[in-house]
Amino acid sequence: RKEVEQDPGPFNVPEGATVAFNCTYSNSASQSFFWYRQDCRKEPKLLMSVYSSGNEDGRFTAQLNRASQYISLLIRDSKLSDSATYLCVVTRYTGTASKLTFGTGTRLQVTL
Amino acid sequence: DAGVTQSPTHLIKTRGQHVTLRCSPISGHKSVSWYQQVLGQGPQFIFQYYEKEERGRGNFPDRFSARQFPNYSSELNVNALLLGDSALYLCASSSVIGQFLSSYEQYFGPGTRLTVT
Repeated sequence: RKEVEQDPGPFNVPEGATVAFNCTYSNSASQSFFWYRQDCRKEPKLLMSVYSSGNEDGRFTAQLNRASQYISLLIRDSKLSDSATYLCVVTRYTGTASKLTFGTGTRLQVTL
Repeated sequence: DAGVTQSPTHLIKTRGQHVTLRCSPISGHKSVSWYQQVLGQGPQFIFQYYEKEERGRGNFPDRFSARQFPNYSSELNVNALLLGDSALYLCASSSVIGQFLSSYEQYFGPGTRLTVT
């Protein structure tokens, strides 16, 4: 089983739609959680951190459920510019290193 | 402020050759990590260096090696290149590791795209 699993998509949605991405992680020792966005042939960029209390940044809402080892990202009122791959990331401090483990990413295509 | 920089941006090598990739972290950042991203996959952790010491290594063969210099820049070396080494190699820098995980963030450079023929 992969340490971080995501539905690869693609998710094709019309502009203005609401779309949700899910991610599960297998290592209960995982300590921090993030969503990164990656545009085609570009580097990943931090979208938002994910907290158990949930957090919102404009049209984006992220949620963490530690008991179920599950992370979600909700995008409301999708824009064409939201088209990208969304990477679920968990981090774990091994005692010497802070290791980021990425999911394979979920591709989102927003259309007119 | 300058972000993470990597060189070269693109590279084409032949099987069996050696390659050196370079990374300069954000000013003030002491940790550099290297990741390999093959097409259609998420980045995979290769190494982390902090204060010039190797702090972590992913599941990669000994053909992969790295080092960090006193100015915190870093090199990733890959020997005896294989076709499967073709990937985007990403460098990420951060100011801390481990201690402040709630605010832990890594900032990625634009990557070096390596093609092995």
